[in-house]
Amino acid sequence: KAGVTQTPRYLIKTRGQQVTLSCSPISGHRSVSWYQQTPGQGLQFLFEYFSETQRNKGNFPGRFSGRQFSNSRSEMNVSTLELGDSALYLCASSYRASGPNEQFFGPGTRLTVL
Amino acid sequence: SQQGEEDPQALSIQEGENATMNCSYKTSINNLQWYRQNSGRGLVHLILIRSNEREKHSGRLRVTLDTSKKSSSLLITASRAADTASYFCATDDTGTASKLTFGTGTRLQVTL
Repeated sequence: KAGVTQTPRYLIKTRGQQVTLSCSPISGHRSVSWYQQTPGQGLQFLFEYFSETQRNKGNFPGRFSGRQFSNSRSEMNVSTLELGDSALYLCASSYRASGPNEQFFGPGTRLTVL
Repeated sequence: SQQGEEDPQALSIQEGENATMNCSYKTSINNLQWYRQNSGRGLVHLILIRSNEREKHSGRLRVTLDTSKKSSSLLITASRAADTASYFCATDDTGTASKLTFGTGTRLQVTL
């Protein structure tokens, strides 16, 4: 099976712009989660979608939003970019709806905000 | 915010030695997982231990969990240069297993 793919891999934006990142989960996986990784805050959970519904949300401002499509692909959007949004954004997919199961991570999108 | 901390923050050992990393967390959990990350890339799942388990093995990996102390350890035996990476513990306290709270990570350097 193909792994989790994320596009684009690298992105440079300026403050005030908006950005959309895309994630394609492993075939058959219906849960997609997004994480932000920065040197200062580490890995932080953004949100999780399952069957097109947001099930969990982390502690991020409303500028961060996401959605999931019927084919389980997911996008996240960050509006009005700030310098502090520079980070590696990781998405992960998993098969089961609940219970212990591993997350399969994509390679990430590295966003730089100038 | 992060669930807890890992120590040491960095560890340098020689090939063939064992590496032990510790993770502490703050709240009750359903399970704890360990992940590896190479140079700012995606994370790779290593092992999952449920809250009612105390020890688990997978190849050269041994994980222990002490829920009374809210801590876990990851032991990598007979380390190899390819084990050089950052290692993170992640806890699941929602039961959905899709909202993980990560520790601060341990950077492991294995030299020849």
